[in-house]
Amino acid sequence: QKEVEQDPGPLSVPEGAIVSLNCTYSNSAFQYFMWYRQYSRKGPELLMYTYSSGNKEDGRFTAQVDKSSKYISLFIRDSQPSDSATYLCAMSAYNQGGKLIFGQGTELSVKP
Amino acid sequence: EADIYQTPRYLVIGTGKKITLECSQTMGHDKMYWYQQDPGMELHLIHYSYGVNSTEKGDLSSESTVSRIRTEHFPLTLESARPSHTSQYLCASQPPGRQGNTIYFGEGSWLTVV
Repeated sequence: QKEVEQDPGPLSVPEGAIVSLNCTYSNSAFQYFMWYRQYSRKGPELLMYTYSSGNKEDGRFTAQVDKSSKYISLFIRDSQPSDSATYLCAMSAYNQGGKLIFGQGTELSVKP
Repeated sequence: EADIYQTPRYLVIGTGKKITLECSQTMGHDKMYWYQQDPGMELHLIHYSYGVNSTEKGDLSSESTVSRIRTEHFPLTLESARPSHTSQYLCASQPPGRQGNTIYFGEGSWLTVV
């Protein structure tokens, strides 16, 4: 069983929609949770970072962590065609440094 | 953020050839990482380094090797490339202190072994 599960999609939404991307995990030691965006043939770009449980908002993006359910989410409001990319969740335990465990990634397409 | 430079971006090479993928950063970060990503699959850690002359293998077994002679360089070498090595290789570094365990990636090197 994978430590991190992420629905690979693809997910297709109309422009302006609210997008919800989710990951579940099994390791209760994970404390740092990240979302990366990856365009085709590019390296992942850090979008959001959250420590432990709670919400974090940055512009149109909101990251949520529910450690009791081992569930994290990324919400994108007013989605734009430029948001079309693959979104990767990643997480690590406190003493693991940059040794992250990644989900498979969800491919998102926002149609004009 | 960190400026991570990877070369070459794309490489097609024959079986049995030796290749080195270059990775450099100018931010003076001690911690650097190599991840491997097959198409449509998760990124997996294959090597990491916490400073000069320090290298460790990651969770995913890899036939590649790395070296860290200088802080700014973290090259990855395959002594004898095979088609099973065809993949994307991503180098990353970690700024000290802030933002927990976040890492920043380069653009990646796409390797095809024929």
